[in-house]
Amino acid sequence: AQSVAQPEDQVNVAEGNPLTVKCTYSVSGNPYLFWYVQYPNRGLQFLLKYITGDNLVKGSYGFEAEFNKSQTSFHLKKPSALVSDSALYFCAVRDRDNFNKFYFGSGTKLNVKP
Amino acid sequence: GAGVSQSPSNKVTEKGKDVELRCDPISGHTALYWYRQSLGQGLEFLIYFQGNSAPDKSGLPSDRFSAERTGGSVSTLTIQRTQQEDSAVYLCASRPSWGAGNTIYFGEGSWLTVV
Repeated sequence: AQSVAQPEDQVNVAEGNPLTVKCTYSVSGNPYLFWYVQYPNRGLQFLLKYITGDNLVKGSYGFEAEFNKSQTSFHLKKPSALVSDSALYFCAVRDRDNFNKFYFGSGTKLNVKP
Repeated sequence: GAGVSQSPSNKVTEKGKDVELRCDPISGHTALYWYRQSLGQGLEFLIYFQGNSAPDKSGLPSDRFSAERTGGSVSTLTIQRTQQEDSAVYLCASRPSWGAGNTIYFGEGSWLTVV
């Protein structure tokens, strides 16, 4: 079965420091991986995705994510956090066997303190 | 349209009443999804449409929930005899059918409160 896990419910970081939001996946074959962000009282916004190619994927708002096949991880990173990055972040994997299925993690709340 | 549009954005209803939530996907997107998100929680898959048919409705929590899609575009999620546990944000998303690894795009959600 395909699944994705976000082991941290919450991540706290000081403004200006680097941030990492963790995601691990379990899929058969090569995964399609996604990150979304949800600001308070809003829908989910697409940040970035990994399909194939370079393991380091760059996305919106200065975020990037590194695909690590051996560790089955797809951690979201940003070199310097902003207070405005505070939001709920979701990792998702798309099922290659059933192309229509997207599996979402439980979400990680990022708090960036000034 | 430019993005996925959902209405109403907020709905307060009395327990036992029926509600309809509407989703207008991005123009040309053939696939449409409904998810539910309880306060501060993760996403719960409800149903998936390809065109007007729903090959996967495995996430609908009870027979009080139904959804339809007409003209390969607008979808309506109907909740009959609402209960307090139905209070949540109902998110609609759409994606094009072409392109490997294509992305799903979400609307702003319909916030349902059952009192």
